[in-house]
Amino acid sequence: DAGVIQSPRHEVTEMGQEVTLRCKPISGHNSLFWYRQTMMRGLELLIYFNNNVPIDDSGMPEDRFSAKMPNASFSTLKIQPSEPRDSAVYFCASSPDRAYSNQPQHFGDGTRLSIL
Amino acid sequence: RKEVEQDPGPFNVPEGATVAFNCTYSNSASQSFFWYRQDCRKEPKLLMSVYSSGNEDGRFTAQLNRASQYISLLIRDSKLSDSATYLCVPSTDSWGKLQFGAGTQVVVTP
Repeated sequence: DAGVIQSPRHEVTEMGQEVTLRCKPISGHNSLFWYRQTMMRGLELLIYFNNNVPIDDSGMPEDRFSAKMPNASFSTLKIQPSEPRDSAVYFCASSPDRAYSNQPQHFGDGTRLSIL
Repeated sequence: RKEVEQDPGPFNVPEGATVAFNCTYSNSASQSFFWYRQDCRKEPKLLMSVYSSGNEDGRFTAQLNRASQYISLLIRDSKLSDSATYLCVPSTDSWGKLQFGAGTQVVVTP
């Protein structure tokens, strides 16, 4: 079975540029999560969707970050303009259904983002 | 107070030995609990779900204490491949949102 697919795997770009990260969740999963991981702050939840609708975006750092989920099989996380402090590993995860049914999240391989 | 607190370690464990560590969580409404492992520069992977009565999966045993709000993980007969960071993960809402701890690093040595 295909897992969560993220692209690109690595991205190096100059500050000020727009960055778009992509995610394809596991087919049939209703929830999708975007995380950021750094050494200093660990794994942080940025935003999550249920049935393509954003549920909680309180973790999005600032207006430079935006996320969309136009359909059940695709989501994007965009940073515009990018800054060096955005350098991190960005993970996308999906889960079959809501919690209380003990549904864990399945992670993609992540995108390693470096902003110069 | 952090929502999830873990001893960062590292726990240095001889191969074949047993290691155990806990995590505490602050949200008493948490209903689902998981242990994930994360290898260096890799994505977190589900190790096991944690059930109220405690559960075992091979060499791994998880316990949940709701009254004291802590979760434990015990690894028996440690293998070199068990070296990783173990993340304690309670759920935080009904939408599937999880709160990841900072992790406990385990290093199994020959």
